[in-house]
Amino acid sequence: EIVLTQSPGTLSLSPGERATLSCRASQSVHSGYLAWYQQKPGQAPRLLIYGASSRATGIPDRFSGSGSGTDFTLIISRLEPEDFAVYYCQQYGTFGQGTKVEIK
Amino acid sequence: QVQLMQSGAAVKKPGASVKVSCKASGYTFTNYYMHWVRQAPEQGLEWMGIINPRDGSTNYAQKFQGRVSMTRDTSTTTVYMELSSLRSEDTAMYFCARDPSRIVGALGIDPWGQGTLVTVSS
Repeated sequence: EIVLTQSPGTLSLSPGERATLSCRASQSVHSGYLAWYQQKPGQAPRLLIYGASSRATGIPDRFSGSGSGTDFTLIISRLEPEDFAVYYCQQYGTFGQGTKVEIK
Repeated sequence: QVQLMQSGAAVKKPGASVKVSCKASGYTFTNYYMHWVRQAPEQGLEWMGIINPRDGSTNYAQKFQGRVSMTRDTSTTTVYMELSSLRSEDTAMYFCARDPSRIVGALGIDPWGQGTLVTVSS
């Protein structure tokens, strides 16, 4: 069973800064099946990225995904106030434990 | 548009069962798999399993094998998730979420239902 480990656990940044989130798999993952989600308090998760690097419909281009094999990255180029949330990576039946992006 | 509408919150006693429904609309129900994911309070997302509405076939996470059952009713375009032998650790928000690809996992999971809070308490 694949384990996805996200780092850091918490990222404290200011609006306008760049956020870099990591997702590492315990074994090689087909990049076509790696997704990223954003979740805000009291809401369902929202799909951001699928296939490791493709933005879902309506997702702003400040969100970008990359990676292959066991190492994947989600970058938010310039944080907007609405981007402060928890982010999860996922591959089929496995989710990472999440990275919280909080306001510094 | 694609919509997933889940049943309301439930409070159950330890040892009981709960059945959560998820009514799908806005697309051809039998063409896309449905996932179930849960989230305990202040915790991360946990995948429970998946059902193919076309033939009712399922794949459950090992953790829930023997305790979960996912079914569907094509006449009402509704999927169900039943969890038995409930314990306090099952207190969580339960989400249904569609797989938008004919190849499971290729396009992520989208959209998600609004969630159903299940509380297990004596």
